[in-house]
Amino acid sequence: QSVLTQPPSVSGAPGQRVTISCTGSNSNIGAGYDVHWYQQLPGTAPKLLIYGNTNRPSGVPDRFSGSKSGTSASLAITGLHSEDEADYYCLSHDSSLNGNYVFGGGTKVTVL
Amino acid sequence: QVQLQESGPGLVNPSETLSLTCTVSGGSISSGSFYWSWIRQSAGKGLEYIGRIYTSGSTNYNPSLKSRVAISMDTSENQFSLKLSSVTAADTAVYYCARGILEMGVTGIYFDYWGQGTLVTVSS
Repeated sequence: QSVLTQPPSVSGAPGQRVTISCTGSNSNIGAGYDVHWYQQLPGTAPKLLIYGNTNRPSGVPDRFSGSKSGTSASLAITGLHSEDEADYYCLSHDSSLNGNYVFGGGTKVTVL
Repeated sequence: QVQLQESGPGLVNPSETLSLTCTVSGGSISSGSFYWSWIRQSAGKGLEYIGRIYTSGSTNYNPSLKSRVAISMDTSENQFSLKLSSVTAADTAVYYCARGILEMGVTGIYFDYWGQGTLVTVSS
């Protein structure tokens, strides 16, 4: 059971909008720690998609956006492309775990 | 462009010590303000932070692994290393090295560059 909870899967048709939630607690997201998002294609290392809740690294399409409110964060993919089919993970810091960093359990995005 | 590459045995016997090295190119591990980190991914537990070593040499470990983990750095080789002792089958995973960054205005480290990962299987 991950400290950060994500839905196991979400799906959408090409061109649609999907969102992935990342639910934490008052010791991580709710304590003000930022959330970062990663995309992992099959057989590859995770790739940074969003950092600091809302910021996109250079090269990441603006179809990807992040938000944070209270003890939760969300990743939205608008205009879904077939190449967006991947696993997505959130990451944050947890103050109750002695400086530990925690990942969500991951969400599989399927493009129908 | 920073690149990281893991290396080490792909098979480790139970109760022995897992040893991996991460070679960094495109930048010096002893300059800047970066957290050179290890993360693993197993089928049963997803992504798990193992620990990190700061540019200065200070370390931080996941409390659940702290008694068995040691991370060190060799600035002459531009490498940092992971040792995980007394391994069991539960330590079987893909191990990634990554660069952690703490950016102004962002609370908490995030990992911007990752190695390709190396599978380590614990089995006799």
